[in-house]
Amino acid sequence: DAGITQSPRHKVTETGTPVTLRCHQTENHRYMYWYRQDPGHGLRLIHYSYGVKDTDKGEVSDGYSVSRSKTEDFLLTLESATSSQTSVYFCAISADQNTEAFFGQGTRLTVV
Amino acid sequence: AQTVTQSQPEMSVQEAETVTLSCTYDTSESDYYLFWYKQPPSRQMILVIRQEAYKQQNATENRFSVNFQKAAKSFSLKISDSQLGDAAMYFCAYRGLGNNNDMRFGAGTRLTVKP
Repeated sequence: DAGITQSPRHKVTETGTPVTLRCHQTENHRYMYWYRQDPGHGLRLIHYSYGVKDTDKGEVSDGYSVSRSKTEDFLLTLESATSSQTSVYFCAISADQNTEAFFGQGTRLTVV
Repeated sequence: AQTVTQSQPEMSVQEAETVTLSCTYDTSESDYYLFWYKQPPSRQMILVIRQEAYKQQNATENRFSVNFQKAAKSFSLKISDSQLGDAAMYFCAYRGLGNNNDMRFGAGTRLTVKP
């Protein structure tokens, strides 16, 4: 299994509070992704990174920011959490453009 | 932006029978990759099969095979000799090779296997 760890695995937070989710990899893969999974929507891309300090927006990036200061870590921040951001969040990594993505175990975030 | 459509929210199959899950996509790129992922109740995303767009031959992995129709932008997954362990959510995914190297997923198909 690819060495990819998401933390925390579960979190409950209050509306309006900041939240940071962490994705850590030990594979030295170039690409890292953050997705959210909601019933009926599948996995929707929030942000992704194609190198240290190189990031781009996905299809549902509003309300989220990311940072990648080193190869192994990709942080997803909700600046001010809202109930609509209650979801399961997945991190994925990929070595290059020609390979599949490997996924973390997911983080269940509940905003109350 | 590329979009991936799975038109079957739910499918069911009898154990040992064959089932086909549909996927279509929209892209202006000529070179890309397509994937099928399986998500069992454990929530772990597991790669089932991958297809390179430049290859005309359909990919196969044991009981899993695809029907890739590039002109029609269709990428269906066939599961033969279905087993109880095949019950899961199945996601189709597209990955381009251009500047925007993101990976987009369909909404998923929930497969039930009846004993």
